[in-house]
Amino acid sequence: KAGVTQTPRYLIKTRGQQVTLSCSPISGHRSVSWYQQTPGQGLQFLFEYFSETQRNKGNFPGRFSGRQFSNSRSEMNVSTLELGDSALYLCASSSFSQADGYTFGSGTRLTVV
Amino acid sequence: GNSVTQMEGPVTLSEEAFLTINCTYTATGYPSLFWYVQYPGEGLQLLLKATKADDKGSNKGFEATYRKETTSFHLEKGSVQVSDSAVYFCALSPMEYGNKLVFGAGTILRVKS
Repeated sequence: KAGVTQTPRYLIKTRGQQVTLSCSPISGHRSVSWYQQTPGQGLQFLFEYFSETQRNKGNFPGRFSGRQFSNSRSEMNVSTLELGDSALYLCASSSFSQADGYTFGSGTRLTVV
Repeated sequence: GNSVTQMEGPVTLSEEAFLTINCTYTATGYPSLFWYVQYPGEGLQLLLKATKADDKGSNKGFEATYRKETTSFHLEKGSVQVSDSAVYFCALSPMEYGNKLVFGAGTILRVKS
C-alpha cells in the first residue's frame, strides 16, 4: 500500500513569509502527527490530529498551526517565518492506537533565508 | 515528564561486530517503546517496537527488550553490516490521550568494511 506522502520535498522561504506543508497519510489511517527535526533540538512533536480534531499539541508558538481534512490529509502552516524555523518537517500517520506504531513520510526540508 | 536518553555517538564499528545502543526512558505507567532508523536524506523508518514489559521487539537482526525494572530498551545486533550505517532513534509513546512520540537525541552508527 502507498506510504505517507509529504509535499513539497524542499522549500526555500524568506523571513516573515508563511508556508503550508501537506501530508497524505496511509489509507485507512486517521491519525496524523507532525514533528520538527533540527540539528540542535532533535525531533520535537508539534501536534496530532485525529478525525479532523487536534488531540495533542507540543510546545511550539502559535505561529505553528495545522488542520486535518475529512479524507485525513493534513496540512501544517507556519506564519511569520523565522530563521530558526529552518528544519526537516516530518509527518507520521497511525491508526487509533499508539501501540500500532507510526509510519513517517520522507519529510519537507524548509530553509528560511 | 516524559523523556528518552540515548548513548551519544558516533558509534564506529567494523563489519560483523556486535552492536549495542543504550536507551533509557522516563515516563509514567507503561509507554510503548520504539526504535526508528534514519538514512541520509530520508524520513524515519520503524525498526522495532514493544508495547509492554518484557516484550522483545525484533526485525532485520536487531532486537530490543522492554525492561520496566531498569526503564531501558537497549538496541542490539549480533553482526552489523556496512548497510546498517544510519542514525538510530529510541522513542516512547506515553500513556496519554492522543498519539505522540518522544524521541531521544539519536545515535549515529558508522560501520567500516
